[in-house]
Amino acid sequence: KNEVEQSPQNLTAQEGEFITINCSYSVGISALHWLQQHPGGGIVSLFMLSSGKKKHGRLIATINIQEKHSSLHITASHPRDSAVYICAVANFGNEKLTFGTGTRLTIIP
Amino acid sequence: DAGITQSPRHKVTETGTPVTLRCHQTENHRYMYWYRQDPGHGLRLIHYSYGVKDTDKGEVSDGYSVSRSKTEDFLLTLESATSSQTSVYFCAINRQGQHNEQFFGPGTRLTVL
Repeated sequence: KNEVEQSPQNLTAQEGEFITINCSYSVGISALHWLQQHPGGGIVSLFMLSSGKKKHGRLIATINIQEKHSSLHITASHPRDSAVYICAVANFGNEKLTFGTGTRLTIIP
Repeated sequence: DAGITQSPRHKVTETGTPVTLRCHQTENHRYMYWYRQDPGHGLRLIHYSYGVKDTDKGEVSDGYSVSRSKTEDFLLTLESATSSQTSVYFCAINRQGQHNEQFFGPGTRLTVL
């Protein structure tokens, strides 16, 4: 069973700061997903990556397959980035995801 | 949003009563999932389906059953609700061929008193 750990569990920062959220997993995967959940809201997919780096606007996701580690970065953070960020891994050979417990990010104006 | 709806969106019920939650999709995806989300646990898989009448258990399936008689509908039933089943329930679909990228419904908040 793949163990997925996220850090930190909670993160509070000032508007404009550079944010990093980390995810590590124990068993090789076919892909890793980053998801976002706003308070009281639904869950949306931000990134799916199996190697290298992806960028959408102010969000950047990287993955190191050898180290079994991924990071989600937010540049020039804004209060609307306040949300729970969830890492999930897709395991080889089955159609199920394993989820981390999430990182609660709060950006203070 | 991949055309996923859940009903009801909120429900309050009493211990011992049966409850059925419905997930409906409009895009004909084969794989559908039911998760529960609780503080400190993240998303946990209850049951999933890989086709009409084809379902399998997830990691927290005790006390839950599912049915899928049509591609578009996946039902989750709590046969006799307990307070430990108070949670937010999410349905998801998997766009196959894309590394298990899943799209989630809006969630159902269930309170068992």
